[in-house]
Amino acid sequence: EVQLLESGGGLVQPGGSLRLSCAASGFTFSNFAMRWFRQSPGKGLEWVSSISDGGDVITYSDSVKGRFTISRDNPNNTLYLQMNSLRADDTAVYYCTKRSDDTGYSDYWGQGTLVTVSS
Amino acid sequence: EIVLTQSPGTLSLSPGDRATLSCRASQSVSSSSLGWYQQKPGQAPRPLIYGAFSGATAIADRFVGSGSGTDFTLTINRLEPEDFAVYYCQQYGSSPITFGQGTRLEIK
Repeated sequence: EVQLLESGGGLVQPGGSLRLSCAASGFTFSNFAMRWFRQSPGKGLEWVSSISDGGDVITYSDSVKGRFTISRDNPNNTLYLQMNSLRADDTAVYYCTKRSDDTGYSDYWGQGTLVTVSS
Repeated sequence: EIVLTQSPGTLSLSPGDRATLSCRASQSVSSSSLGWYQQKPGQAPRPLIYGAFSGATAIADRFVGSGSGTDFTLTINRLEPEDFAVYYCQQYGSSPITFGQGTRLEIK
């Protein structure tokens, strides 16, 4: 059974940093691209970042480019999202997802972790 | 960026009814890379449909996706009580991946 378990969310002050982790199991992690999405009440569902199976192809949304860094540890089946210079509008539930290899859509989602940026 | 517009915003129906949800794209969605998700309060989005019409794993066959180009539809036949939720369309064929704003399906 595919499982994605996010952790690392919490309350952080504006300008602060946070690192999210996503522990994957139930599939060969190193064979699949992964993505982060987020959802806030004001902006709905939003794609944040993607990383290829080998970690060599990375893309970011314009809203996080230069502040967030996606990475992965294939031997330990873990996806990361390093978030720096956090702003109030980064407040959201962050979801880790697995990209389907042949279709491209996100076929499995974690339960999400809440990030709140507030003073 | 492809903008997805969903209609209606809210749909009020009864169990047993048929629901028709629309998703219109600002430009053609490549290779029918259009998906639908269901979301209930406090839960992650659940994949329903990918490639415009293919059912995701373990999805009941009363969920039917159709459409191409810029106009897509999710039809839910014979609504069950557990189907009342928010539904989102998503295009994943062009970067950035984008979502519609959602349609809330509520019990009448």
